[in-house]
Amino acid sequence: QLQLQESGPGLVKPSETLSLICTVSGGSITSSSYSWGWIRQPPGKGLEWIGSISYTGSASYNPSLRSRVTMSVDTSKNQFSLNLGSVAAADTSVYYCARLYIAGLPPYMIDHWGQGTLATVTS
Amino acid sequence: QSVLTQPPSVSGAPGQRVTISCTGGNSNIGASSYVHWYQQLPGRAPKLLIYGNNNRPSGVPDRFSGSKSGTSASLAITGLQTEDEATYYCQSYDTSLSGPGVFGGGTRLTVL
Repeated sequence: QLQLQESGPGLVKPSETLSLICTVSGGSITSSSYSWGWIRQPPGKGLEWIGSISYTGSASYNPSLRSRVTMSVDTSKNQFSLNLGSVAAADTSVYYCARLYIAGLPPYMIDHWGQGTLATVTS
Repeated sequence: QSVLTQPPSVSGAPGQRVTISCTGGNSNIGASSYVHWYQQLPGRAPKLLIYGNNNRPSGVPDRFSGSKSGTSASLAITGLQTEDEATYYCQSYDTSLSGPGVFGGGTRLTVL
C-alpha cells in the first residue's frame, strides 16, 4: 500500500533553512488525481497547512509562510521536498508529508499521511 | 487561531454518544462543498476519518458519522469506545485564503 516517509535533520539553527524530503513508495507521484503536501504541528498544538505541490511542480503555499517556503518534486525518485527558510523557535514542529486527493472539489482531503518528523530549531 | 472553531475538549462514557462541532463562516464552511474530519491518536499521525461531509473510508466503523449545515459541521460518535480517545480535526476550504484548505483547532475526546 502507499507509504510516505519524511527524512531530514532533526535540529536546525535559527535563521537557517529547514530542508525535508518525503519519499513515496507503493504508488506513483505522477498521478493527476493527487497532489502532495506538507502540514506541521507544533508540540501540543493543532495542525497547520504549509502548502502543496503537484507532480508538474505547480505549488500553493500558506500565505503566512509563503515568503519563506519552497516546495519541489523529483518524479525520478518519487520524492517531493520542503525548504523553509529563516527558521525561528516558533517553527519547531512535527512536519508531516501527505497525499491530497484533488480529483474532486476543494477542500482536498488528505488520504495518506507520513508518520511525521520532529524538527527542532535550536542554537 | 483557526478560522474554524472547535470545542477544545469533549468527554463521554463508554457506550454513549458524543458530538463535536466545527463552526465557520460564509467564506469557509458556508462556501465549501465539503468538510472532512481527521482522527489523531496520541503520538500518531492524523488519519482520515470522514470525507465529503459524511463518507467513511474503508475500515472506519459506522459509529462515526458527519454532517454539514450552513456554516457549521458536526462529527458524531455513537457507542463510544476507549480507543476513540483522540483529537479530532475538521477541515474546510476558505475563499479568503489560497491553498488546499484550513483546519479547525482540534477537539480532544476523553472517554471517561
